[in-house]
Amino acid sequence: EPEVTQTPSHQVTQMGQEVILRCVPISNHLYFYWYRQILGQKVEFLVSFYNNEISEKSEIFDDQFSVERPDGSNFTLKIRSTKLEDSAMYFCASSDTSGYGYTFGSGTRLTVV
Amino acid sequence: AQSVTQLDSQVPVFEEAPVELRCNYSSSVSVYLFWYVQYPNQGLQLLLKYLSGSTLVKGINGFEAEFNKSQTSFHLRKPSVHISDTAEYFCAVSEGSSASKIIFGSGTRLSIRP
Repeated sequence: EPEVTQTPSHQVTQMGQEVILRCVPISNHLYFYWYRQILGQKVEFLVSFYNNEISEKSEIFDDQFSVERPDGSNFTLKIRSTKLEDSAMYFCASSDTSGYGYTFGSGTRLTVV
Repeated sequence: AQSVTQLDSQVPVFEEAPVELRCNYSSSVSVYLFWYVQYPNQGLQLLLKYLSGSTLVKGINGFEAEFNKSQTSFHLRKPSVHISDTAEYFCAVSEGSSASKIIFGSGTRLSIRP
């Protein structure tokens, strides 16, 4: 069964550093998403991406965040200057046009120290 | 805007007993509904989903859920739980189109007692 692949599985970074979280969506999917789950809390939507542009973003997704599909296969989330409160599990997801294929990756645990 | 309410933050159940995890949603449009399970320190695993058709949806690991439009509910049930079902369960909703974000509930922690 096709999978959404996220790397790395765990990243530790110092406060103020830039991080890039990487995702490889399912190959024939056209819609891409990032979600965040702070430890012990619910999963929150960050941003959706379609046709090389952001289609929707939440209030969490401020100027510190950006997304990119640099090469037609990867989908990245960049946090420019990390804060302690950015520590969370970040999930990538992709979807086809039918809605049946919405699939989450296994997540990247980001720890900001 | 959609929202999801999971009425119970924790549900303790004895092994082999039945369980129901409650979920209510609100939306002004047609919806897709999901249940995800998250085991400790792991990612999200889809248990089942309702997109259209039969209101009774069967999923993995013996779970099922029933979509009730009049009560705006999508409760999750299992007739007999196992220790291995100990996990966090998230109900989620999206607008009934393929490109919509998914809105998650706050989760229900299911703990199984031997």
